[in-house]
Amino acid sequence: EAQVTQNPRYLITVTGKKLTVTCSQNMNHEYMSWYRQDPGLGLRQIYYSMNVEVTDKGDVPEGYKVSRKEKRNFPLILESPSPNQTSLYFCASSLFGGSYEQYFGPGTRLTVT
Amino acid sequence: DQQVKQNSPSLSVQEGRISILNCDYTNSMFDYFLWYKKYPAEGPTFLISISSIKDKNEDGRFTVFLNKSAKHLSLHIVPSQPGDSAVYFCAASFDYKYIFGTGTRLKVLA
Repeated sequence: EAQVTQNPRYLITVTGKKLTVTCSQNMNHEYMSWYRQDPGLGLRQIYYSMNVEVTDKGDVPEGYKVSRKEKRNFPLILESPSPNQTSLYFCASSLFGGSYEQYFGPGTRLTVT
Repeated sequence: DQQVKQNSPSLSVQEGRISILNCDYTNSMFDYFLWYKKYPAEGPTFLISISSIKDKNEDGRFTVFLNKSAKHLSLHIVPSQPGDSAVYFCAASFDYKYIFGTGTRLKVLA
């Protein structure tokens, strides 16, 4: 089954404790992206990757890091999480960027206290 | 500065009638526009897209209209069904980046 998986689905952590949210897709997609969803703000793009070893900033990259060492994986790293990073995070992938539909993962709800 | 705006946070429509969801944008560099539907506790799912060089695209019950001069797009759902009740996001794309609107919650009343 074609899918995007994220782990963990729920995470409660404390300020400053480094964490990684994993994302994996099995569709051989070139393009992958991370979004956060906050009430009243919709979905905002954090980082995206056009291909292996090629990443770039989206609208709200501050406080986040990403890497794309393999085509299928695109982890999101929070080196020193803060309470304003409490949010619902979605990973997505598509064959390419632009008009191609993105397939979204189920989401990771992160709470930073 | 919100480059993509969905000014109606919610919309209620009777089953069988037309649902019209609206989206405005400010950046004339956007070259693709997409609509996604989101159910609670799930990721968004793609509905339909349109290139900036077109003014209409249809897929079954869903039609997207693009008015470039007004920087406005709309999604028409005909006929609306209770299963269409969800949050709808419009998105605009340029240079591998995506900007999403804040969403419109559609409720289709049986």
